[in-house]
Amino acid sequence: DVKVTQSSRYLVKRTGEKVFLECVQDMDHENMFWYRQDPGLGLRLIYFSYDVKMKEKGDIPEGYSVSREKKERFSLILESASTNQTSMYLCASTRSRDYGYTFGSGTRLTVV
Amino acid sequence: GQSLEQPSEVTAVEGAIVQINCTYQTSGFYGLSWYQQHDGGAPTFLSYNALDGLEETGRFSSFLSRSDSYGYLLLQELQMKDSASYFCAVRDKNQGGKLIFGQGTELSVKP
Repeated sequence: DVKVTQSSRYLVKRTGEKVFLECVQDMDHENMFWYRQDPGLGLRLIYFSYDVKMKEKGDIPEGYSVSREKKERFSLILESASTNQTSMYLCASTRSRDYGYTFGSGTRLTVV
Repeated sequence: GQSLEQPSEVTAVEGAIVQINCTYQTSGFYGLSWYQQHDGGAPTFLSYNALDGLEETGRFSSFLSRSDSYGYLLLQELQMKDSASYFCAVRDKNQGGKLIFGQGTELSVKP
């Protein structure tokens, strides 16, 4: 089974801190994605990557950046955390855009 | 742009059949997917329809009508463990094929 691992299940950070959320997949998938999930808003795409060193903005990239130095790892960076970035963050990967996504278990981030 | 509409909540009893509808608007379209998410868990992939018609996988079926921009997820012989949120998602041709999710339908299965 494909496994997508997010490094932290729960995180509490202070406003203004730089925050790194790590995601690793073990099935050599080229496509990786970061979503945030908020009640009533569903899943919203922050950034995605179809290859190493490649990144594309999703629907809500403001305040975030990403890094994909290796195929298996896709990192989400909050440059200066703010309280409105308190959310559940979900990483996903897929072999091909015709296939289903495999999601990680999520990181629940609280910014205080 | 793109948008998806699905009911926010559905309630049904064990053993029943329930249908969760999804309508979408996109400027281009590859296919419609469905995901299940239990409370506190990760979304898991259920089905993908690229062409019109019904796809069946055990107790779950998914239907797509491209001309109507409409699809549904059909759950048969409902079990308590089916209580979860269900999301439809479209792959938008003009958005690099990335998945855009609906807001989710919370299904409650009662005894």
